[in-house]
Amino acid sequence: EVQVLESGGGLVQPGGSLRLSCAASGFMFDKYGMTWVRQAPGKGLEWVSSISGSGSDTFYAVSVKGRFTISRDNSKSTLYLQMNSLRAEDTALYYCAKDNGYCTNNDDCYPGYYLAVWGKGTTVTVSS
Amino acid sequence: QSVLTQPPSVSAAPGQKVTISCSGTSSNIGNSYVSWYQQLPGTAPKLLIYENNKRPSGIPDRFSGSKSGTSATLGITGLQTGDEADYYCGTWHDNLSGWVFGGGTKLTVL
Repeated sequence: EVQVLESGGGLVQPGGSLRLSCAASGFMFDKYGMTWVRQAPGKGLEWVSSISGSGSDTFYAVSVKGRFTISRDNSKSTLYLQMNSLRAEDTALYYCAKDNGYCTNNDDCYPGYYLAVWGKGTTVTVSS
Repeated sequence: QSVLTQPPSVSAAPGQKVTISCSGTSSNIGNSYVSWYQQLPGTAPKLLIYENNKRPSGIPDRFSGSKSGTSATLGITGLQTGDEADYYCGTWHDNLSGWVFGGGTKLTVL
């Protein structure tokens, strides 16, 4: 069964840092892009960041660029999101998703066609 | 304000049909596949329709998707109370190099 499971959320003060993890199983992890999407309390979905299968290409929402870093360890089938300089508006439930896209001739696979499998999410609260 | 435009809410009686629209531009819907996600209360989103009109395994054929130009539509027939959820459209935005979503549509089955 294809699964992704997020962890690492918690309560952090404004200006603080947190690293989220997403453990994947049931599929060839390095053959798929991966994406983080967040949902603030009572709000809709907001894309945060995506990464190609090899990890060579990364993509960020304007709201987090320069503060968040997406990365992956394909040997551990794990996706990460390092979040620095956290703000109150970063408070949300953070979802990790297997992102089905296209693969290039050099065998790197990119996000962007559809978010096939979502985790249950991990909650990040930024408050003093 | 979301990049893709959806109606905030729709409603219909059990057994009836409903459609949810999703409007974008040539930089997003007009140039990319559209997918739809169902979020039941208190749960994570789930893929409902991918590549404009395809259903993942396990999704009943009561759910359908279509795309024309810069707009997409989700259709649900034979409405059931269990279909009450928030529905989101999404697509990759070329200029932003990232995903954009609609604001979500709350479906109420009266």
